[in-house]
Amino acid sequence: GIQVEQSPPDLILQEGANSTLRCNFSDSVNNLQWFHQNPWGQLINLFYIPSGTKQNGRLSATTVATERYSLLYISSSQTTDSGVYFCAVRSTRGYFGNEKLTFGTGTRLTIIP
Amino acid sequence: DSGVTQTPKHLITATGQRVTLRCSPRSGDLSVYWYQQSLDQGLQFLIQYYNGEERAKGNILERFSAQQFPDLHSELNLSSLELGDSALYFCASSAGYRELETQYFGPGTRLLVL
Repeated sequence: GIQVEQSPPDLILQEGANSTLRCNFSDSVNNLQWFHQNPWGQLINLFYIPSGTKQNGRLSATTVATERYSLLYISSSQTTDSGVYFCAVRSTRGYFGNEKLTFGTGTRLTIIP
Repeated sequence: DSGVTQTPKHLITATGQRVTLRCSPRSGDLSVYWYQQSLDQGLQFLIQYYNGEERAKGNILERFSAQQFPDLHSELNLSSLELGDSALYFCASSAGYRELETQYFGPGTRLLVL
């Protein structure tokens, strides 16, 4: 099946810093989502971005599908940004109706005041 | 709030027991997905239902079963529980009638098997 790798596995930053999280995938995808899992365990949708670039406030994401990677940018980090960031993809090899997402292992981000 | 609800939020039980986790999808969503998040396996897809029918299966154990009811809510049944079944179980939903859609995740049910 498709492999999803995220880097770095851990990131510790001072409040106000910027960060870039990377997601590499091993096959063509037609669905890619970024999630933030907060310290309470809740998975929060950040972006649906199988290709192109999107921005939402201090967060933005870019997916270059032809090169099989996606980047999540966080600017002016706040302590509430702490948690684990997951990338999840759907391989194009999946048949219509099978929408299962394959998750990466995540990047644990810690923002220090 | 994603609009997906899951009950209960926490569940503590003993080995060998059986539990049922419940999920209500977002209003209008026809597809429901179950995922398991454990420390050693990460976040893994278990099973997908679309409008009451099983659509896709992942690494779901034979001791686990699920169904989606006519009102579109879904239940995940876990039986003969083992210590290793302790995990966070997520339900997600999507509209289900387009090929590529955003999945929205519920708050999860945290299961602890003692």
